[in-house]
Parts: sequence; structure tokens; C-alpha cells
Amino acid sequence: DAGVTQSPTHLIKTRGQQVTLRCSPKSGHDTVSWYQQALGQGPQFIFQYYEEEERQRGNFPDRFSGHQFPNYSSELNVNALLLGDSALYLCASSKDRETEAFFGQGTRLTVV
Amino acid sequence: DAKTTQPPSMDCAEGRAANLPCNHSTISGNEYVYWYRQIHSQGPQYIIHGLKNNETNEMASLIITEDRKSSTLILPHATLRDTAVYYCIVRVWAAGNKLTFGGGTRVLVKP
Repeated sequence: DAGVTQSPTHLIKTRGQQVTLRCSPKSGHDTVSWYQQALGQGPQFIFQYYEEEERQRGNFPDRFSGHQFPNYSSELNVNALLLGDSALYLCASSKDRETEAFFGQGTRLTVV
Repeated sequence: DAKTTQPPSMDCAEGRAANLPCNHSTISGNEYVYWYRQIHSQGPQYIIHGLKNNETNEMASLIITEDRKSSTLILPHATLRDTAVYYCIVRVWAAGNKLTFGGGTRVLVKP
């Protein structure tokens, strides 16, 4: 079992550009959540997808959007990148309503 | 979700027990206490969770006070690989698995 996999591992983008991050959940998991972790801080919840729908959303602007595919994999899209979007983006998967979430290693996004 | 308070950092000697406190004085009756840890450059890792009874697994023990306003995570024999940031999180079970992370406790295990 490969666990939760995220791609790419590192990414550098220019301010104003758009970026897409990808996540493949752990086998058997149907729920995917995305978190943003700024340097030195704890992860902050962006949103969660279940059955291809956004089920919950944190306090993030509409520039942050996502998608879940029928195979449960997910994408996080960020438009009009700002310098402040530089962070580690974490994907977590779980079986719906179960207690334990498994995290991937994250994608380190740097906006210059 | 209720707010948690943790010390920002603590040191521990290798081989000794590490006791990590967490205050959650506003916890509600249906909220569980979860612990995750994040080793440098990795994603958070689930450790343990509990409601009101003490819990133990292969990684750690969780002691919750009778009034549930605080808890302690115990790593029984800390190793250098336990150096990490430890997060105490309070949440309602099955609330879509959303996790609200605070600042955590940075634990440094020293030889």
C-alpha cells in the first residue's frame, strides 16, 4: 500500500500564475482533505471532498478550488498566486466518518 | 471545535518517558481528544485518540483527566526518532474528519 501520494513534491511559480496539485488517497479511502501549512505554523484546513463534492470548506478565498475524481484522487487548484500562498500543501485521506486521517508528504509551493 | 493549549517546546532525554500536556478546558461532551505528530519535512501522523477513558496503543498512552479539561500524551521510552512537533486536537467524531491544528509542542529528544 503506497499510502497517500502527492505530486509534485516541490514547485516554484510566479506571482499571478495558476497551479494544480495532485493527491492519490490511500487504498480504500474515499475522503480527501487539503491543508495549507505556512512555515512554522500548524496545518490549516482548506476543504474536503467526498463523493466528488466539496463537503466542507475552511476560511480560504475562492482562488482555492478543488476537484475529486471517480477514483477518489483529488486536485487542488490555486489561481492568481500571491507570495503569501507559499507553503507546504498537505493532502489527507480517510474512510468517510472514520477517525484516522492519513497524510501525504506534501507539496512545497514557492511563489516568487 | 474546542481550542487547545500546549507548551511551545520541551526537551526529553532518550530512553525516558516524555509527558506532553494539553489543556482543552472548553471541550464539549461529544468531542474527542486526538494527537498527531509531524516529523520534520513529513506529513502529520496519527498517534492516538480518546473520549474519556485512558487509551494505549503501540506508540503512546493518552491520559484524560476526569473532568476532561486536560490530557497528557505519554511516549513511554522516547527515542531520537520521536523528535517532532506534537499536536493536540479536539474535535467531534465523524465531523467530516476536519482537523483544526494549533501551534503544537516541539519535542526535542536528546541523547
